[in-house]
Order: sequence, then C-alpha cells, then structure tokens
Amino acid sequence: GAVVSQHPSWVICKSGTSVKIECRSLDFQATTMFWYRQFPKQSLMLMATSNEGSKATYEQGVEKDKFLINHASLTLSTLTVTSAHPEDSSFYICSARDGGRMNYNEQFFGPGTRLTVL
Amino acid sequence: QKEVEQNSGPLSVPEGAIASLNCTYSDRVSQSFFWYRQYSGKSPELIMSIYSNGDKEDGRFTAQLNKASQYVSLLIRDSQPSDSATYLCAVNEGYGNKLVFGAGTILRVKS
Repeated sequence: GAVVSQHPSWVICKSGTSVKIECRSLDFQATTMFWYRQFPKQSLMLMATSNEGSKATYEQGVEKDKFLINHASLTLSTLTVTSAHPEDSSFYICSARDGGRMNYNEQFFGPGTRLTVL
Repeated sequence: QKEVEQNSGPLSVPEGAIASLNCTYSDRVSQSFFWYRQYSGKSPELIMSIYSNGDKEDGRFTAQLNKASQYVSLLIRDSQPSDSATYLCAVNEGYGNKLVFGAGTILRVKS
C-alpha cells in the first residue's frame, strides 16, 4: 500500500518551454500532496503544499507563477514548470499524505522526475 | 526557522555491525518523527516513524525518541552493504503536516 507514482521519470526540454509533471497516489486518497526539489548533494527543499480542491501554499522564495500546482482530485496533483530555464534543472519529487491513515503525518514519495533544461 | 540537524558523515561501519544515526530538532511542539532512506539518484523511502518517547523496533531497525532532549536516533543492526545510503531525519513542523528534513547522514557499510 501507499504507492505514489510520478510521470515522467525524466525530461529534457529547451529553455523557455513549459514542462508538466504528474503525481498520482495509486492505492489511497491523498488529501495533501507536497512538491519538493532536490539539487545534487543537497537535502529536500519543500516548494509547496497542495490540498485537493484548493490553491497550493507556496514556500517563501518559490514563485507561484512559475511553478503552477493543480490538485484537482484526491489522487492527482500536477506541477507545471513554466518558461523553464537551465537553473530550474533539478530532481522534482512529490509526496502524498494519506488522510485515512492513523499516522497521518507520514508522507510517501513518488520516484521523482529529473528535469534538464538546455 | 525550524531546524533538523544531522551529522553529514559519511559514517562507515563494517558489515554486521550496528550503525547509529542521530538527529536533533528545534521545534518543541513537533509530534511526528520519521526516518527516510535515500539511495543515490532515487527518491526517499520511509523506513521508520515514531511518535512517543522510547524505542520502536521494526526488523533490523530501531528508532529512539527523547522529546525532552529533542533527539531522535536510528539504529541499524547487522548492517548490510545494501544499507549504504543517505538517511534523512524528518520532523513535522509545529502542529501542521509539513515535514522539515535534515540534510541527511551518508552511511557506508563495508563488506
């Protein structure tokens, strides 16, 4: 149980284009999903928290107009990196919280999406 | 700013030994504590969660929590080369559901 998928697993795009990353909870309903970014040899950096049916809450310093998050259903959240630039190249990882579990603060991570912007 | 501190390592232990990983946190209100394992190039995998003071055992893993000292640890018994990874300590922020992650401790188990 508690499986989270992400698609695509890797993407290469040209500077200025937009990239959409999907995060799905496969066997549970995710009341809350989180988006993280991880640069090489660094720890996870939380970008935003999204709750189903409401606007995402972005962390300080994260541009909400650049990183668009949609959480339209209890099993799907999407992150769109708009007008991507080389400095956006990173490992993007989503996680999901199962509101039906007793240990409700547990987060289960997707496999991540490696974005390279040329 | 809530903080979670870990020794970056690398911590090197021989195969079969006990690996001891430590973590301290700053938020006295935190109630949920987690250990994640992250292999190079992969995403984190939850291996232990602990919510009350004391020890919690799961197979070769034991998590220990001391809220008074704001300290949480992970013991790995009979360490195997496959345990070589970065171990991330995570603590929930305040009364909410966001997690604050430490920078991670690199563990190397040598055969």
